[in-house]
Amino acid sequence: EAGVTQFPSHSVIEKGQTVTLRCDPISGHDNLYWYRRVMGKEIKFLLHFVKESKQDESGMPNNRFLAERTGGTYSTLKVQPAELEDSGVYFCASSQDQRGEQFFGPGTRLTVL
Amino acid sequence: QKEVEQDPGPLSVPEGAIVSLNCTYSNSAFQYFMWYRQYSRKGPELLMYTYSSGNKEDGRFTAQVDKSSKYISLFIRDSQPSDSATYLCAISGGSNYKLTFGKGTLLTVNP
Repeated sequence: EAGVTQFPSHSVIEKGQTVTLRCDPISGHDNLYWYRRVMGKEIKFLLHFVKESKQDESGMPNNRFLAERTGGTYSTLKVQPAELEDSGVYFCASSQDQRGEQFFGPGTRLTVL
Repeated sequence: QKEVEQDPGPLSVPEGAIVSLNCTYSNSAFQYFMWYRQYSRKGPELLMYTYSSGNKEDGRFTAQVDKSSKYISLFIRDSQPSDSATYLCAISGGSNYKLTFGKGTLLTVNP
């Protein structure tokens, strides 16, 4: 069974540009989470989807970040416009039910210059 | 005060040593306690999952939770070079299931 996949693995953009990260959860997992690790800090929660609905978006830093999960399958996280402090590793995780194990993808390393 | 505190190390031990990794947390509403292992350039991988005080053992790994002290531990017996990784404690609870992570401890097991 394929695990959680994320694309791209690495993205380097300039300040002010737009970047879209993609996450494909494990098939059949209704719950999808986005997390971010900024250098030197702990991994922090961004938001949680249940199917196509946002269950909790309390961790989204500001309105430059937009997450979608059309059809309840894959999810995208768009950053527009990107700022220097958005650099970090963005992880996606999925779980079958809300209390279940969260399986993490390998992450997308975003560098904003 | 951070919700979860974890000494980032680094921690370096010889092969075969017993390793002790620890976290403290501040919110007594947390109910679920996890340890993740993360190899370089990979995503976190779940090692242990507990939801009550006490010990849980899985092979060379033992997770310990003390809710009265808000203290969780991971013990690794007979450590191997392949155990070299970053170990992250993660906690969740209440009405939402988002994970709150510690900073992670970088462990190196030297052959």
